[in-house]
Amino acid sequence: DAGVIQSPRHEVTEMGQEVTLRCKPISGHNSLFWYRQTMMRGLELLIYFNNNVPIDDSGMPEDRFSAKMPNASFSTLKIQPSEPRDSAVYFCASSLRDAGEQFFGPGTRLTVL
Amino acid sequence: RKEVEQDPGPFNVPEGATVAFNCTYSNSASQSFFWYRQDCRKEPKLLMSVYSSGNEDGRFTAQLNRASQYISLLIRDSKLSDSATYLCVVIRSQGNLIFGKGTKLSVKP
Repeated sequence: DAGVIQSPRHEVTEMGQEVTLRCKPISGHNSLFWYRQTMMRGLELLIYFNNNVPIDDSGMPEDRFSAKMPNASFSTLKIQPSEPRDSAVYFCASSLRDAGEQFFGPGTRLTVL
Repeated sequence: RKEVEQDPGPFNVPEGATVAFNCTYSNSASQSFFWYRQDCRKEPKLLMSVYSSGNEDGRFTAQLNRASQYISLLIRDSKLSDSATYLCVVIRSQGNLIFGKGTKLSVKP
């Protein structure tokens, strides 16, 4: 298996633009997680899905952030409009069950100018 | 109080040294505990789970103290390749993971 796949690996955009991050979990995993990592705040859970259904989105910072999981093999995290303070590394992770070992993708390094 | 707290370090140790990290958690209902390792500019990866009875994996030993609400990681005979950030992870009763900010370890020749 290729592991968790994320795209793009790097994204540089201007304030106000829409940003879409993509994730393909490991085949057969039931849970998918989106995290954001910054030096100041560390690794923060944004949202997680179980069997494609959002279970906990309390970590989503505000309405500018939205996440979808239309099927078991694909998820997106969208920021619209983006702001400089959104600059961070965004990780997607998947696991067989919501309390099991999580396998992380390589992350998307987002810079909003 | 933060839900999971770690000393950020850095811990600078010579090769061959023994080093220990602690992590405290605030939610007494927390059910499961892990240590993850994150190399610079890479994704976190599971290092080991932490069991109530304590567990060992080669040079690494993890322990849990539920009464005092902390977990520990001991690394014996440190190698240069152990240099990384070690993240303490706690699973809430609801089933999602809370990560500490990590402790940075630097092993020097």
